[in-house]
Amino acid sequence: IAGITQAPTSQILAAGRRMTLRCTQDMRHNAMYWYRQDLGLGLRLIHYSNTAGTTGKGEVPDGYSVSRANTDDFPLTLASAVPSQTSVYFCASSESSGNTIYFGEGSWLTVV
Amino acid sequence: SQQGEEDPQALSIQEGENATMNCSYKTSINNLQWYRQNSGRGLVHLILIRSNEREKHSGRLRVTLDTSKKSSSLLITASRAADTASYFCAKTMDSNYQLIWGAGTKLIIKP
Repeated sequence: IAGITQAPTSQILAAGRRMTLRCTQDMRHNAMYWYRQDLGLGLRLIHYSNTAGTTGKGEVPDGYSVSRANTDDFPLTLASAVPSQTSVYFCASSESSGNTIYFGEGSWLTVV
Repeated sequence: SQQGEEDPQALSIQEGENATMNCSYKTSINNLQWYRQNSGRGLVHLILIRSNEREKHSGRLRVTLDTSKKSSSLLITASRAADTASYFCAKTMDSNYQLIWGAGTKLIIKP
């Protein structure tokens, strides 16, 4: 059972570059999420999607965009990376919003 | 902004002792969930407790919910070194269904 697959696992990125973090789930979950986790802080929601074809802004959406063209994929794009976007990014999914969330293993991103 | 607090921020106990972590919130919830995160890994769901429930068990884990005090506790009994991790509570508010996360409790079990 794969669950949630994120790629890349880690990346060092030059400031100003565009970057897409990929996320795929095989559980046919309706809802998907992108979180960032910074040292000493809990998870902060970047963007979410309650169902394919729809997306919404979370707590910290600025500098990020998402798309949900189908049920399985939910890529996160940094249009022009900045050092403050250095973080661990977690993709997650749930059967529907508010239910148990299943997480990927994270993508460690360093912007220099 | 995140609603509520978790305490303690860090907890260090001897193996075999019980560990209790608390989570508070400010507005009505639909449900509250506890997750565990091992260092460098994704979060793993432990228990979901609904607003009309008061207690749930799963193995050595016991979660209680007191809606009058707007608080929840996670008890790990007979702790093991492998329980060393960070534990997070997440609340689903009545107003929407997005989870609101606390900053977590870092639990260290000393062998």
